[in-house]
Amino acid sequence: GAGVSQSPRYKVAKRGQDVALRCDPISGHVSLFWYQQALGQGPEFLTYFQNEAQLDKSGLPSDRFFAERPEGSVSTLKIQRTQQEDSAVYLCASSLDSSRGGWSNQPQHFGDGTRLSIL
Amino acid sequence: SQKIEQNSEALNIQEGKTATLTCNYTNYSPAYLQWYRQDPGRGPVFLLLIRENEKEKRKERLKVTFDTTLKQSLFHITASQPADSATYLCAPSNTGKLIFGQGTTLQVKP
Repeated sequence: GAGVSQSPRYKVAKRGQDVALRCDPISGHVSLFWYQQALGQGPEFLTYFQNEAQLDKSGLPSDRFFAERPEGSVSTLKIQRTQQEDSAVYLCASSLDSSRGGWSNQPQHFGDGTRLSIL
Repeated sequence: SQKIEQNSEALNIQEGKTATLTCNYTNYSPAYLQWYRQDPGRGPVFLLLIRENEKEKRKERLKVTFDTTLKQSLFHITASQPADSATYLCAPSNTGKLIFGQGTTLQVKP
């Protein structure tokens, strides 16, 4: 595909339900990032993958949040037992790898996000 | 902790004028800084990257400066157009883990 694809675009769930958000990065992009964006704020880092390895998950708000990228391509962000404060837009980004201490400092290509609403 | 400040109020300018957006950061020394544009309901789109050893960078009508002494970046759009209306995000960083400011909304009026 031409860009980063995220699905679903919108997700409404009842408090306490589990949700799974999908990200298809640009083909060949080694690095993949998840961000959370609240209304009127900039995106906030959640977690980072280099291929299938999750190198940083320091931004995940709680142990209810889990991300995986088992084959180094598609990634899934899962939120268990959702709470109302989880309502936000979840953005995925991918980039080419330009190692700098294991991190990529290349420009990131974002998907249009999944807007999650918890009722 | 690391802190990034962008103009919280919307910037309204007339078409054809130069828009200048400010990004200030404290408590760290980023090796580079990226600027992104975000339209409503869309993901951020990369515009420019400037490194700490670069004072200025240009791309078409865009110009970015990076002053590591002042801990500030300025983002200029010359000959602004209504199509430039969007939210602009800065992200000073040392790694791929981008830390974004809250963004400045620019409105260019015809």
